[in-house]
Amino acid sequence: DTGVSQDPRHKITKRGQNVTFRCDPISEHNRLYWYRQTLGQGPEFLTYFQNEAQLEKSRLLSDRFSAERPKGSFSTLEIQRTEQGDSAMYLCASSAGHNYGYTFGSGTRLTVV
Amino acid sequence: GIQVEQSPPDLILQEGANSTLRCNFSDSVNNLQWFHQNPWGQLINLFYIPSGTKQNGRLSATTVATERYSLLYISSSQTTDSGVYFCAVRKGNSGYSTLTFGKGTMLLVSP
Repeated sequence: DTGVSQDPRHKITKRGQNVTFRCDPISEHNRLYWYRQTLGQGPEFLTYFQNEAQLEKSRLLSDRFSAERPKGSFSTLEIQRTEQGDSAMYLCASSAGHNYGYTFGSGTRLTVV
Repeated sequence: GIQVEQSPPDLILQEGANSTLRCNFSDSVNNLQWFHQNPWGQLINLFYIPSGTKQNGRLSATTVATERYSLLYISSSQTTDSGVYFCAVRKGNSGYSTLTFGKGTMLLVSP
């Protein structure tokens, strides 16, 4: 098992463009989380999946953001009409359950110019 | 929501020194984790420790759930220990499933 994989590692996009990130969790983990981290801050929760069901969404997840986890395997996070304030590191994590440790991917660093 | 406070915010050590990082939280928790974020941004899970004490090499952690704090001990620090250490908690008996992170302690270990 190679851990949690995220792609791409870096993304530079022009304001107003759409971007999509991918996360491949550890295969045995049924829970998948998306977090966002800005400079000098801890990660902030965006959304959570148990298998293919999206069970929680943060108020940070505006209607420009959408996430999917088809078939309960990999997940995608799409940001439409990107804004400069969307520039951040987007982190994906997976776990075997609520009361287990999280394994994070290396993140996707988004820069909106 | 639950509040997580970490101290100190910054710490500079000479290689070989010991240190203690603290995490205070405002409510009962059923999940507490310590992470190390290296200079490249990778978050590494150090401990899952909602209560009790654990040790892993030069690192150990203790959580006193009844008093709502956790401590991370680093002994004989090395330059590779540099980075940001985060404490993250999940509120106990809540329908909210996710971890809430503190702002972290930035550690710099100099040779």
